[in-house]
Amino acid sequence: EIVLTQSPGTLSLSPGERATLSCWASQSVSSRSLAWYQQKPRQAPRLLIYGVSSRATGIPDRFSGGGSGTDFTLTISRLEPEDFAVYYCQQYGNSPLTFGGGTKVEIK
Amino acid sequence: QVQLQESGPRLVKPSQTLSLTCTVSGDSVSSGGYYWTWIRQDPGKGLEWIGYIYYTGRTFYNPSLKSRVTISVDTSENQFSLKLNSVTAADTAVYYCGRAGLVTTAVDCWGQGTLVTVSS
Repeated sequence: EIVLTQSPGTLSLSPGERATLSCWASQSVSSRSLAWYQQKPRQAPRLLIYGVSSRATGIPDRFSGGGSGTDFTLTISRLEPEDFAVYYCQQYGNSPLTFGGGTKVEIK
Repeated sequence: QVQLQESGPRLVKPSQTLSLTCTVSGDSVSSGGYYWTWIRQDPGKGLEWIGYIYYTGRTFYNPSLKSRVTISVDTSENQFSLKLNSVTAADTAVYYCGRAGLVTTAVDCWGQGTLVTVSS
């Protein structure tokens, strides 16, 4: 099983700042099979990024994904008030599909 | 607009079977373009993939749950279902149904989730 470790656990930033979230995999993620989700309280997760760097439908271009192998990042170029939430990475190239533990982006 | 809605008992006794159904609107489970999936979220353990099903009935399960899980599809009702037997308190979680692509099996559409509590 591929274990995904996200850091930091919590990121305290102000609106307008840049956020960089990290996701490390215990082994190489095959075929660029990595996604990022955003989850707000009492809501289901929402797909932001798939295939490491492809934005899902309707996702603004301030969200970008990158990385390869075992190291991946999600960058939010300028935080908007609605971006404060928990973010999860997920790998879907190997069974079982697994998720990281999440990074909470909170208002500083 | 695709919508998924979970339904089923919210309280299950230990050792019994948890049963949930996901009703899909705005898409067809038999379209062949997606897998249909179940994922759960426990506050202490985060998100856990349970498994998914293709409209043909082919299933893929998380090995950690495989011995207790059955996912099935009912194309006539445009629904798919989850059964998890021999439940314990550790199975208490919010259960989500979702839709995942065939190539990039990221979940692009989620139900709102339903909290299922295992307690006597």
